Amino acid sequence: DAGITQSPRHKVTETGTPVTLRCHQTENHRYMYWYRQDPGHGLRLIHYSYGVKDTDKGEVSDGYSVSRSKTEDFLLTLESATSSQTSVYFCAISEGQGPSQPQHFGDGTRLSIL
Amino acid sequence: SQQGEEDPQALSIQEGENATMNCSYKTSINNLQWYRQNSGRGLVHLILIRSNEREKHSGRLRVTLDTSKKSSSLLITASRAADTASYFCATFLNNDMRFGAGTRLTVKP
Repeated sequence: DAGITQSPRHKVTETGTPVTLRCHQTENHRYMYWYRQDPGHGLRLIHYSYGVKDTDKGEVSDGYSVSRSKTEDFLLTLESATSSQTSVYFCAISEGQGPSQPQHFGDGTRLSIL
Repeated sequence: SQQGEEDPQALSIQEGENATMNCSYKTSINNLQWYRQNSGRGLVHLILIRSNEREKHSGRLRVTLDTSKKSSSLLITASRAADTASYFCATFLNNDMRFGAGTRLTVKP
């Protein structure tokens, strides 16, 4: 167990509202990731972080922002949610200090935007 | 875009049989990883194989990698009902990890 907690686990909100998802880790891993999972697409990377205040875009970053002010917390924000952002969101960390290592995932946040 | 593509998309077998899933990818890689996902849960790492390795074993799992064909296979031997899950391959190259869409495995008791 890599000690990854995602909150909330479920959320329903309306189009145009801001949404923030939180990922918390307990083991001081350097790399943290946010993915979305949609049927037929597997997991797609939204943003990742390689240290406090160090973040970079992934494959599907439009409409999302992230922040990492502490090693243990990585926040994903949808500034103005759209129905296309309805998805299951997963946070992950890389073992050790490098991105090539196995990743460990939280149990996801199911987000519905009406 | 996905890098790895798993085949088949779905597989149904009886308990005790072997299950083989395949992954094809398009570019060169540093390593390839296999993950399992149970319904409603996050992905769980199973095994990592580096680009200079051809085969790895872990318990009932056997992974092969053929870089000339840009393909990998995951074999689960003597399957159990608890192996029912989705299985994903992920390729890693230069800070970029890409996941396939997965194979849904159902093991019937």
